[in-house]
Amino acid sequence: QQQVKQSPQSLIVQKGGISIINCAYENTAFDYFPWYQQFPGKGPALLIAIRPDVSEKKEGRFTISFNKSAKQFSLHIMDSQPGDSATYFCAANHTGTASKLTFGTGTRLQVTL
Amino acid sequence: DTEVTQTPKHLVMGMTNKKSLKCEQHMGHRAMYWYKQKAKKPPELMFVYSYEKLSINESVPSRFSPECPNSSLLNLHLHALQPEDSALYLCASSQAPSQGYEQYFGPGTRLTVT
Repeated sequence: QQQVKQSPQSLIVQKGGISIINCAYENTAFDYFPWYQQFPGKGPALLIAIRPDVSEKKEGRFTISFNKSAKQFSLHIMDSQPGDSATYFCAANHTGTASKLTFGTGTRLQVTL
Repeated sequence: DTEVTQTPKHLVMGMTNKKSLKCEQHMGHRAMYWYKQKAKKPPELMFVYSYEKLSINESVPSRFSPECPNSSLLNLHLHALQPEDSALYLCASSQAPSQGYEQYFGPGTRLTVT
């Protein structure tokens, strides 16, 4: 019940295209869903996050869509750029418990010219 | 300053060595975390410190020993490690333990055990 399933494992998108990464969870106690971006040799960095009372959140070219009934959420990267090439992790947190983030397995995104 | 710093960047140690990893943040955060990350895998939580006290130990072997000397500093003492302990060790912090959903990560220490 603690798992967060993430797909696809890897993704190749042309420059200017839309990258879509999907995640699904089972634990309905989760109430905060961040996405982290990690470049090779660096630590993960918080990219964007959403709470389940909101169906969509947009920050620049990055949008999270959230479907509470389906227990699914996804990251859309519009106008994908080569600089977006990185590994993306979705995560989930239950703010009522102590601090743990449950990470998805990660998606390696490559944006080609 | 939203930076978490970690030293050293790289560390190679033998199985009989004792070494320490250091993590520092000056954001006034009161929760700090150690993670282990293997290649192509998500970070795996090891320890959580809340207000300088160890609050979570994810059944980590005793050859890893964390220490939180003050609210800005976190150490991870290493002793008698195994080659399978080779990984990227990440430190993170959050404003409070209840805000663990928003963690700031350092760049990590790449550890190789020979």
